[in-house]
Amino acid sequence: QQQVKQSPQSLIVQKGGISIINCAYENTAFDYFPWYQQFPGKGPALLIAIRPDVSEKKEGRFTISFNKSAKQFSLHIMDSQPGDSATYFCAARKDSNYQLIWGAGTKLIIKP
Amino acid sequence: EPEVTQTPSHQVTQMGQEVILRCVPISNHLYFYWYRQILGQKVEFLVSFYNNEISEKSEIFDDQFSVERPDGSNFTLKIRSTKLEDSAMYFCASSSPVSPHEQYFGPGTRLTVT
Repeated sequence: QQQVKQSPQSLIVQKGGISIINCAYENTAFDYFPWYQQFPGKGPALLIAIRPDVSEKKEGRFTISFNKSAKQFSLHIMDSQPGDSATYFCAARKDSNYQLIWGAGTKLIIKP
Repeated sequence: EPEVTQTPSHQVTQMGQEVILRCVPISNHLYFYWYRQILGQKVEFLVSFYNNEISEKSEIFDDQFSVERPDGSNFTLKIRSTKLEDSAMYFCASSSPVSPHEQYFGPGTRLTVT
């Protein structure tokens, strides 16, 4: 119930392509869903986040799609660039709690 | 841009020793957190701290661990009697009272217990 399942574990995309990373959750009490980007040797950096009252949120080349009925959400990176190569984590949180529950991470490689 | 800082970047200690990991959260933030990431595994929540007390802790955060805000700027994680399995990256995070759900992370401290 507390888990967030993330896929794929790794992803290789050509420069200019669309990168798609998926997450699924079970606990319907989750109401905040952030995505974090982590470069080697650095801490996770908040990228974009969504609440379940909207189905999509876009910030620049990054879009979160949210499907409340399926309990799934995904990160889309448009026009992927080599600088986007990093590990991406989805997470979830209940408003009544402080802790973030994390997915396992996706290592994204953008080939030039 | 303000950021969370952590020291040291790498700490090596012997099993059974005590270590203190230090964090300086973003200055106007009031919520503080510690997470850890064992190599190749998920990020795991340890503890959150607000208004000078622990607001939430995970099963991992047992009596071996403690947190403190000794002054107006530092936030520390103490691990007593370290074990080999405590080897991990430890991340500090903070969030503001305006957006408490947006957690901003430091670069981490790599703890190696030998």
